[in-house]
Amino acid sequence: SAVISQKPSRDICQRGTSLTIQCQVDSQVTMMFWYRQQPGQSLTLIATANQGSEATYESGFVIDKFPISRPNLTFSTLTVSNMSPEDSSIYLCSVDFQGGGYTFGSGTRLTVV
Amino acid sequence: QKEVEQNSGPLSVPEGAIASLNCTYSDRGSQSFFWYRQYSGKSPELIMFIYSNGDKEDGRFTAQLNKASQYVSLLIRDSQPSDSATYLCAVNFDRGSTLGRLYFGRGTQLTVWP
Repeated sequence: SAVISQKPSRDICQRGTSLTIQCQVDSQVTMMFWYRQQPGQSLTLIATANQGSEATYESGFVIDKFPISRPNLTFSTLTVSNMSPEDSSIYLCSVDFQGGGYTFGSGTRLTVV
Repeated sequence: QKEVEQNSGPLSVPEGAIASLNCTYSDRGSQSFFWYRQYSGKSPELIMFIYSNGDKEDGRFTAQLNKASQYVSLLIRDSQPSDSATYLCAVNFDRGSTLGRLYFGRGTQLTVWP
């Protein structure tokens, strides 16, 4: 399976600001997935990032709020823009490397104050 | 509608018992199903996955699919206290597509007591 490095691991941000989360994979993958896990909840898919095309967003998530970049086959970023306390969550990236099952990064714990 | 339902529990079993976790899904045509374990404060860890063509056993874990009733189960034999975690069921609803998105249930909290 692929190894995913995600950073930052945690951050405390002021409302109204933005945070960019980075996800680096040790292998080339076609799709990278971004999830949000709110306190005590399960994982909600935000968007799918495919290299060379616009990300595909799930219902309830928009590009202006969660812009995503995918410059190459091993890297992606998710930005949480104009943050409010409701954005306080754990954000995770995930990949499926060669059909071996989806693995997750270690997550970014975001607190908005 | 992409729905994955799990009983949130908590499910409590004694050490050495069989823990049975279940998950139902909304799309009869779904073809791949995943079980994850998540310890508190950690990211999900893949236990195993199965396709619509059969069940799978891996050590103490068995994943079974009932397509007619649209549910998938995870059996943990000889449960250990270290198995205490939240178990997440995920389904790939993207039939015939390369997107391969996973949708998760709410998870079932399992406690194995010594």
